[in-house]
Amino acid sequence: SQQGEEDPQALSIQEGENATMNCSYKTSINNLQWYRQNSGRGLVHLILIRSNEREKHSGRLRVTLDTSKKSSSLLITASRAADTASYFCATDGASGSARQLTFGSGTQLTVLP
Amino acid sequence: EPEVTQTPSHQVTQMGQEVILRCVPISNHLYFYWYRQILGQKVEFLVSFYNNEISEKSEIFDDQFSVERPDGSNFTLKIRSTKLEDSAMYFCASRPRTGSRDQPQHFGDGTRLSIL
Repeated sequence: SQQGEEDPQALSIQEGENATMNCSYKTSINNLQWYRQNSGRGLVHLILIRSNEREKHSGRLRVTLDTSKKSSSLLITASRAADTASYFCATDGASGSARQLTFGSGTQLTVLP
Repeated sequence: EPEVTQTPSHQVTQMGQEVILRCVPISNHLYFYWYRQILGQKVEFLVSFYNNEISEKSEIFDDQFSVERPDGSNFTLKIRSTKLEDSAMYFCASRPRTGSRDQPQHFGDGTRLSIL
């Protein structure tokens, strides 16, 4: 089974518009995290939402989590050209202390100036 | 802000050769990870390391792979005899051990490994 599938795979919007990306997962989780990756670069942590939380905000980012549907969404408001990147959800579902992440396949966001 | 640093940024190696990828995790972090991302694919977990030993590993992490923390700062991934399919971006990550169980992992910029 595949954990952490995002949709859409690609999203192209105009600057100033909102961008919404969705993530679905299959197993129970401790938390869900969203990361951003600029082309050829590393993963930058954006936001973490715990399994007992339903919504979280950080600046222009809003994340929701529905554990009954095993899904999450990331909303970027008032997008900028600099938001162009790939966005990945990652689930922390390990029962042990290592807490490795399982990543989705990502959404490629393009914000047009 | 402290960062995870990885060297080299790009490594080109002949098939069958050994390669060592290096990482310096954030200094007060206690959990260390290696992930890889084959071009166009998902980021995949390889191995986690805590208290000087492997805590978990994926099926990708076979006998050709090993990790080591040779001193108080470096964390290395060795591939003993590289194959073409080892070509990927390799990411190191670290995480603190705090009272909260929910701490994000901090990633380096990765090493792009190209096997010829």
